Amino acid sequence: GAVVSQHPSRVICKSGTSVKIECRSLDFQATTMFWYRQFPKQSLMLMATSNEGSKATYEQGVEKDKFLINHASLTLSTLTVTSAHPEDSSFYICSARDGRQGIDQPQHFGDGTRLSIL
Amino acid sequence: GNSVTQMEGPVTLSEEAFLTINCTYTATGYPSLFWYVQYPGEGLQLLLKATKADDKGSNKGFEATYRKETTSFHLEKGSVQVSDSAVYFCALSASAGGTSYGKLTFGQGTILTVHP
Repeated sequence: GAVVSQHPSRVICKSGTSVKIECRSLDFQATTMFWYRQFPKQSLMLMATSNEGSKATYEQGVEKDKFLINHASLTLSTLTVTSAHPEDSSFYICSARDGRQGIDQPQHFGDGTRLSIL
Repeated sequence: GNSVTQMEGPVTLSEEAFLTINCTYTATGYPSLFWYVQYPGEGLQLLLKATKADDKGSNKGFEATYRKETTSFHLEKGSVQVSDSAVYFCALSASAGGTSYGKLTFGQGTILTVHP
């Protein structure tokens, strides 16, 4: 089945550091990728929708200058948390949709990245 | 807008007990419905799906039926195992058109713990 690889799985870094998270579709072309944030014991909050070759669409309340998203190819999207602070600590999850399939088909999720800012 | 409401957890059951996790939704058009499962420290895995009214999704002993008349997609399993302990999310994918096209709307998640 479709596989989405997310890397790294865990990051611990100092406040003020910028952190890049990669999301790759391994065996399909992902024209659309989604980035979510999940707080402990809570549901997933959609941060932005990333379309290959165009600017990401951010959800209301998400700072686009804080969370930079790049979707340069059909198999790779990156999320960069710029100048991260402790309040940015969270679990970030990406998902991807196979561009050849309709929206009745499921999104495929990465395993998530646990970001901890000290 | 679209929304998904799940029964609040946590749900604690003994092994081999019957499981029901309720899920109701509000959406325009004809959404597709999904159940995802999240094991500790991991991303989400698709458990089952249904794309139109009266469809029944099933996988690993879990079932859910798309009920348009009651806007529900309740998850059931006849006999749970300890390995089923996880967080379960009900979700819908909006139908064509509008800014919500293709996005998933999630319920709040239900924590299931199964004891031996």
